[in-house]
Amino acid sequence: GAVVSQHPSWVICKSGTSVKIECRSLDFQATTMFWYRQFPKQSLMLMATSNEGSKATYEQGVEKDKFLINHASLTLSTLTVTSAHPEDSSFYICSAFDLLAMADTQYFGPGTRLTVL
Amino acid sequence: AQSVAQPEDQVNVAEGNPLTVKCTYSVSGNPYLFWYVQYPNRGLQFLLKYITGDNLVKGSYGFEAEFNKSQTSFHLKKPSALVSDSALYFCAVRAGGNFNKFYFGSGTKLNVKP
Repeated sequence: GAVVSQHPSWVICKSGTSVKIECRSLDFQATTMFWYRQFPKQSLMLMATSNEGSKATYEQGVEKDKFLINHASLTLSTLTVTSAHPEDSSFYICSAFDLLAMADTQYFGPGTRLTVL
Repeated sequence: AQSVAQPEDQVNVAEGNPLTVKCTYSVSGNPYLFWYVQYPNRGLQFLLKYITGDNLVKGSYGFEAEFNKSQTSFHLKKPSALVSDSALYFCAVRAGGNFNKFYFGSGTKLNVKP
């Protein structure tokens, strides 16, 4: 149980294009999803908290207009990197959490490697 | 402010020897503590957690961790390391005003040599 998938697992795009990353909870309802960014050999940086049916809460310093998050259903959240630039290249990881079930553990997706040329 | 510290960037241990990966935390309120493992180019896998109860918790792949409230520590341990345990390990805490938010340590790279 508690499986989280991400799609795509890797993507290469040209500078200026937008990229959408999907995060799905496969066997539970994710009332809350988190989006993280991880640079090489570094820890996870929380970008935003996404609650189903409401606007995402962004961490300080994260541009909400650049990193659009939509949590339209209890099993799907999407992160869209708009007008991507090389500095947006990173490993993006989502995690899912079932707050309504009083769950206490977040489960992570396998990550998406974004390379912007 | 909530924080998690993993004082060692890297831990080297020989296969078959016991291993310890250190974690200390600073939070307000009672902490929920977690260990995750990350293999190259993969997401994080849940290993174990401490919520309440027995200070020694057992998790996946033979790992265990001991919660020490007085030392605010939650060190990860395994009696006999395997080469396949080589990975990046993250300690995390969930506590504070925003109880849904997790705070991660900087990670410790574990190298197990044959």
